[in-house]
Amino acid sequence: DAGITQSPRHKVTETGTPVTLRCHQTENHRYMYWYRQDPGHGLRLIHYSYGVKDTDKGEVSDGYSVSRSKTEDFLLTLESATSSQTSVYFCAISEGQVSGRSNEQFFGPGTRLTVL
Amino acid sequence: EDQVTQSPEALRLQEGESSSLNCSYTVSGLRGLFWYRQDPGKGPEFLFTLYSAGEEKEKERLKATLTKKESFLHITAPKPEDSATYLCAVQVTGTASKLTFGTGTRLQVTL
Repeated sequence: DAGITQSPRHKVTETGTPVTLRCHQTENHRYMYWYRQDPGHGLRLIHYSYGVKDTDKGEVSDGYSVSRSKTEDFLLTLESATSSQTSVYFCAISEGQVSGRSNEQFFGPGTRLTVL
Repeated sequence: EDQVTQSPEALRLQEGESSSLNCSYTVSGLRGLFWYRQDPGKGPEFLFTLYSAGEEKEKERLKATLTKKESFLHITAPKPEDSATYLCAVQVTGTASKLTFGTGTRLQVTL
């Protein structure tokens, strides 16, 4: 299994509070991603990083921010959590493209977040 | 807009009853198509990558194929342990390794 851990694994919080989720990898992969998974929507990309301090938005980035100060850690922050952000959050890592071909993404175990 | 559609949404098979899952896609340019397996409460597990039409990949009872418009995941003589949700994703050219996922096919294999 790819060395990816997520913390916490479960969290319940209240509307309006800030929340930070952590993804840690031991594979030294360049790319890291945050997705959310909701019934009927599949996995949707929130933000991704292509190197230390290099990040970009995905398709559902509103209300989320990210930071990557070290290769191994990628943080996802909900500045002021809302009930619509109740979801399962997955981190993924990838080497990116090699010889013009895409490399697969490997996923962490997920964090189940409930916003009351 | 890039789209990935998987069918059926759910499939119930008896052990040994072979079938296929479909992933159709509409993208501006395909760089790669990926298949994942996801068990309840866990993260997706990588199965295959396909890059060009006509390509095939196999792993145990699973075989993935790719055409210019769709991919199939063929399951031969499935066992109950093959029960899971199977996800298809595409990477589009010029999108910096980002994946667009379908909503998955939930497979149940019974004795």
